[in-house]
This record gives sequence, C-alpha cells and structure tokens, in this order.
Amino acid sequence: QVQLMESGGGVVHPGTSLRLSCTASGFDFNQYGMHWVRQAPGKGLEWVAVITYDGGQEYFADSVKGRFTMTRDNSKSTVFLHMNSLRPEDTAVYYCAKHLRGFYFDHWGPGTLVTVSS
Amino acid sequence: EIVLTQSPATLSVSPGEGATLSCRASQNINFNLAWYQQKPGQAPRLLIYGASTRATGIPDRFSGSGAGTEFTLTISSLQSGDFAVYFCQQYNTWPPLTFGGGTTVEIK
Repeated sequence: QVQLMESGGGVVHPGTSLRLSCTASGFDFNQYGMHWVRQAPGKGLEWVAVITYDGGQEYFADSVKGRFTMTRDNSKSTVFLHMNSLRPEDTAVYYCAKHLRGFYFDHWGPGTLVTVSS
Repeated sequence: EIVLTQSPATLSVSPGEGATLSCRASQNINFNLAWYQQKPGQAPRLLIYGASTRATGIPDRFSGSGAGTEFTLTISSLQSGDFAVYFCQQYNTWPPLTFGGGTTVEIK
C-alpha cells in the first residue's frame, strides 16, 4: 500500500534553514509529481509546492517563492523541501502528498511540525 | 488565484441526520474540485474528486455535486466517524492549488 513519511521538522529560529524529507513506498515513485501542503496550528490547508516526476520543474506558492526549493531523489523514493529564511508564519505541520491524475491528493503523509520561533 | 469559500463554517448535526456543505469558487473551475475529510491530529483524507467521483473506499453516503463555481458535498445519515472538518480544493487553475477554509461538522 502507498505510504508517505515526512521527517526533519523541529524548532528553529527566524532566518534559519531547515530541510524536510518525505520517503515514499508502495507505488512507482518516479511516475508521480509530489507536493507539500502545510497547515498552521488551528488553521486551514495551504498548498506550498510541487515537483514534477523527474524533478525537472517546481512550482511554489507566492508565500514561499524565493525562499523554498524542492528536490527529489528517485533512486531513494524521497522528496525534499529546502526551507530558507524561515519566518514565524511558516510555523505549520508540513504534509507531503501524492497526486493522482489531476492535482488532487490521494495519499498524504502524517505530517511533520515545523515551529519557527525566537 | 482562485478563492474557494466554504459555508457554513460550522454545521451542527445529530447522528443519523444528513448534512449539506457548500463550496463556491471565485472563477469557473469546471469539474476540477476535490473534497477532503480531516480529523484532529490526522492528515486529510480524499473523499471526492472530479466534483462527484468517490475515492477508493469511500462509502456511498458521501456524494458530491456541482460544476463551474458552485459545489456541494452531501453526507447522508451521519455516523460518529463523520464528525470532522471538511475541505474543498480546486485543481483547475494552478499554481497555486487552493483550498477552502473548511467546514466543521460537529455533533448537535
């Protein structure tokens, strides 16, 4: 069965960097684009970024553009979210998610919490 | 950016009753709408995609309808596990992919 597992969250100071990982199993990872979606405490869902199946293209929400990047290692079925210049408003649970035929998400990881605080 | 507005924000329903949740898009998104259920401390779960197609394993008491800018998620005969937050998401025009603010379905 499809499984996604995020890691790398933690408590960091504003202005610093953090790298999140998402390791996948149970499907042909190199056939699918992968997304990050975040949820601030007590708030709704915010799409953050997507990387294409081959890592050739990435797209970002305006709120993180220029600060976050995505990469993937298909040999390890893993995607990464590289977060730089972190701000308190980046505090959230970060989910990785797999899309199906359209850009809707049929599988999600359990999430990893990132807290940006001084 | 396409804005999705969900209503009501909170819906109080007795077990066994039905519930109707609304999602309105700021522009035409054709049928490119999904619905998710989220319980406390859990990741969202896909319920509906293509506005009306149930995802794998979703019981038929969940149904979606609508097109263009007006969409509805209907839950017939709510069970205890259905009390949760429900989000809609459009994937017609991106980036960005966008979500509605959510509707909380609570026990009356």
